[in-house]
Amino acid sequence: QQPVQSPQAVILREGEDAVINCSSSKALYSVHWYRQKHGEAPVFLMILLKGGEQKGHEKISASFNEKKQQSSLYLTASQLSYSGTYFCGTLGGTGNQFYFGTGTSLTVIP
Amino acid sequence: ETGVTQSPTHLIKTRGQQVTLRCSSQSGHNTVSWYQQALGQGPQFIFQYYREEENGRGNFPPRFSGLQFPNYSSELNVNALELDDSALYLCASNGQGAGANVLTFGAGSRLTVL
Repeated sequence: QQPVQSPQAVILREGEDAVINCSSSKALYSVHWYRQKHGEAPVFLMILLKGGEQKGHEKISASFNEKKQQSSLYLTASQLSYSGTYFCGTLGGTGNQFYFGTGTSLTVIP
Repeated sequence: ETGVTQSPTHLIKTRGQQVTLRCSSQSGHNTVSWYQQALGQGPQFIFQYYREEENGRGNFPPRFSGLQFPNYSSELNVNALELDDSALYLCASNGQGAGANVLTFGAGSRLTVL
């Protein structure tokens, strides 16, 4: 039930844009995005609850296509502070189990 | 508002030993879940506790067990440690209402099994 993310890794120069994709073989009712910097805990970025919903956090935005069971995270004009591993996630199973995606490592270089 | 705190931050054990990891949930949060994160992997759900009862379990053997206390803090116990148990163990808490689905993570306990 683990969502699959692509790409697995990406290297950007400051100011460049990136897109991270998340897809699930199971129906998605909500998608969460977290960022984990090296050696730190995952930090919540945003949650998307409705099909087609878009949200933004700083210069990071996301979309959620419920029908396609996909979500995408858009990073615009990337900054050094954006470096880290991005995980999508979804609730499922009993007791609101949270399933993290496979992760995308993002490195922003000067 | 205090965040999620975990202890210890690092520990080393040998195969066959037992370990207890502790977690204090964020103030106002009554649900705690535990995750295992192997190096280079995403966190894997172990189990969740709500009102002192296990409320969901991932694909982990029974030697992984837990407790939640009346103050919502929690413990993760692992018996008969194996080398593959070496990982970062993350605790997350969440509450009710508008923020019910948002997980707040602790910094984790890094376990090394030799």
